[in-house]
Amino acid sequence: AQKVTQAQTEISVVEKEDVTLDCVYETRDTTYYLFWYKQPPSGELVFLIRRNSFDEQNEISGRYSWNFQKSTSSFNFTITASQVVDSAVYFCALSEAQAWGGATNKLIFGTGTLLAVQP
Amino acid sequence: ETGVTQTPRHLVMGMTNKKSLKCEQHLGHNAMYWYKQSAKKPLELMFVYSLEERVENNSVPSRFSPECPNSSHLFLHLHTLQPEDSALYLCASSQSKGGGISGANVLTFGAGSRLTVL
Repeated sequence: AQKVTQAQTEISVVEKEDVTLDCVYETRDTTYYLFWYKQPPSGELVFLIRRNSFDEQNEISGRYSWNFQKSTSSFNFTITASQVVDSAVYFCALSEAQAWGGATNKLIFGTGTLLAVQP
Repeated sequence: ETGVTQTPRHLVMGMTNKKSLKCEQHLGHNAMYWYKQSAKKPLELMFVYSLEERVENNSVPSRFSPECPNSSHLFLHLHTLQPEDSALYLCASSQSKGGGISGANVLTFGAGSRLTVL
């Protein structure tokens, strides 16, 4: 069965600290996709990144970086020099390559990590 | 308007009421989803519509009834709900990339409708 585990329920850091959000996944598929979404207090989930299972190259986007390691089934997310605006709930999610035909995508979400960045 | 819009943002209802949640997407997507977000639980997929046909119903109680009249609109009709149904209901949409692997599709979410059942 597919499963996503975000063991960190809440993290509190002080502004400018680096913080890493952990994500561990389980799947029997050899082809799958991993996602991170951010949910600010306004409620909508904002897409951050998508990786496929064949691309283990780490990615950096500004202060954000992602470390994908198939050997440990992990897809961790690091924020460098955190800012108050980074305060949100962050969700890691997994989808199979083809849950159904057509346009749909069945995302399996973790329980989320609440990040609080204090000024 | 752009993106995915959900109304109402907040709804309080009694257990015997009938109400509806509305979702509208302005992205030209061809799939729409309802997710339920409860405290300390993963987001739960409730329903999926692809090209206005329901393709997934994840054992959701019949007191929740979805409707997708066209590719831009999705409703969730609520009837005789229970207090444990209180949650944030999120709508999302996605677009197939015409032959691309569907698992790669990025979902765009609305801000949600916060439902409280008394």
